[in-house]
Formats: sequence, structure tokens, C-alpha cells
Amino acid sequence: NAGVTQTPKFQVLKTGQSMTLQCAQDMNHNSMYWYRQDPGMGLRLIYYSASEGTTDKGEVPNGYNVSRLNKREFSLRLESAAPSQTSVYFCASSFYEQYFGPGTRLTVT
Amino acid sequence: AQSVTQLDSHVSVSEGTPVLLRCNYSSSYSPSLFWYVQHPNKGLQLLLKYTSAATLVKGINGFEAEFKKSETSFHLTKPSAHMSDAAEYFCVVSGANTDKLIFGTGTRLQVFP
Repeated sequence: NAGVTQTPKFQVLKTGQSMTLQCAQDMNHNSMYWYRQDPGMGLRLIYYSASEGTTDKGEVPNGYNVSRLNKREFSLRLESAAPSQTSVYFCASSFYEQYFGPGTRLTVT
Repeated sequence: AQSVTQLDSHVSVSEGTPVLLRCNYSSSYSPSLFWYVQHPNKGLQLLLKYTSAATLVKGINGFEAEFKKSETSFHLTKPSAHMSDAAEYFCVVSGANTDKLIFGTGTRLQVFP
């Protein structure tokens, strides 16, 4: 039982490049989330998915897209990366409480 | 709208002394409240949660928190700090639907020998 896994752990992009952050959970949870963490700001919700096939915007969705591929997987895509998207990204899944992945540290130069 | 305010961005204590991390919340209805801990370069781990049962909540690693509605507070305490407690702590609030969480800005706890 791996819990919530995220790939990659680290990534460096140039401005304008695209990439997809992958997240998977093996706890059979319906709800999944993507957050970003910036110094002094806590975690802010980017997008969430209450169930397979549904997604909704969170607090800071601009510049991101998501796909809930199936019940296990929830991916986050940056179509054209910007330096303002340099952050640590966390995926989570929940059933009454949220369980977090280890994070992806993204730097956009 | 719900929000949380963590009153201290940094707290420093000596090993073996008590820990107090302060959190005030704002919620238009009965909230669920959580404390999460994040060790350096790690993900977040749930320490404890309050969901309208007992107002004194015990968590892992000797931490506890007391829900005080009259003061809109949910402070985290531990009687005796250990070096391994050094981490960042987040106070979190959610509403009736616990799917969406609102995080505080975090309190970094330093523990000196």
C-alpha cells in the first residue's frame, strides 16, 4: 500500500515549456486534489476532483489544467510554464481526511 | 468564508520545554479543524483533527489541541519538546464538507538542545 505517489520528484523547465505532473493513489478514494506550496503562504488549492470524471477549480487555477484519468490517477498539466509557477506541488486524496504525496519541486527559469 | 490565522511564523523552544503553536479560525458554521506537520523536504502528515466531538483532541507524538469556540482558537500544545519535533506546522479548517481544506501560512518550530 503505497498511499499517494507523485512523479517526478524534481523538475526544471524553461519558460514556455510544458509538462505534466502525475499523481496516483491506491486507497480507492473518490476525491483527489492538487495544491501548490509557496514560502509563507501555506498550501493553496489549484484543482480538485470529487470523483472520477469530474474536476473543479480551486483558489489558484490559472495556468493549469487537470485530468482525472480514472479513480486512481489525477494529473496536473502546465501548458506554458512561467517563473511564477516555480513551487512545490502536492497531490492529495481523501476519505474523511486528506493524505498527501511527497511533492514535486518545480523550478521554471 | 472560512479562514485560519497562525499567530506565529516561527517558534523556538528548548528540548524538554513545552510547545505552544497558536491558531485562530473564522467560520460561518461549525468547522472541522486539523493540524498537519511537514518535516523538511517531506509531505504533510496529519497530527490531529477536531470534528465536533470532544473539544480536547489528542494526536500523534504527544501533541494535543483544544477547540475553544468562545475564543475561536485551536492551539496546538505538547508538554515536552523533542528534537524530532522541529518541522513546519499547519493549522487547517474545513466546513461541513471536509473535501476542501483552507491552510494557514504555517509555523516553523525550532527545537534547541
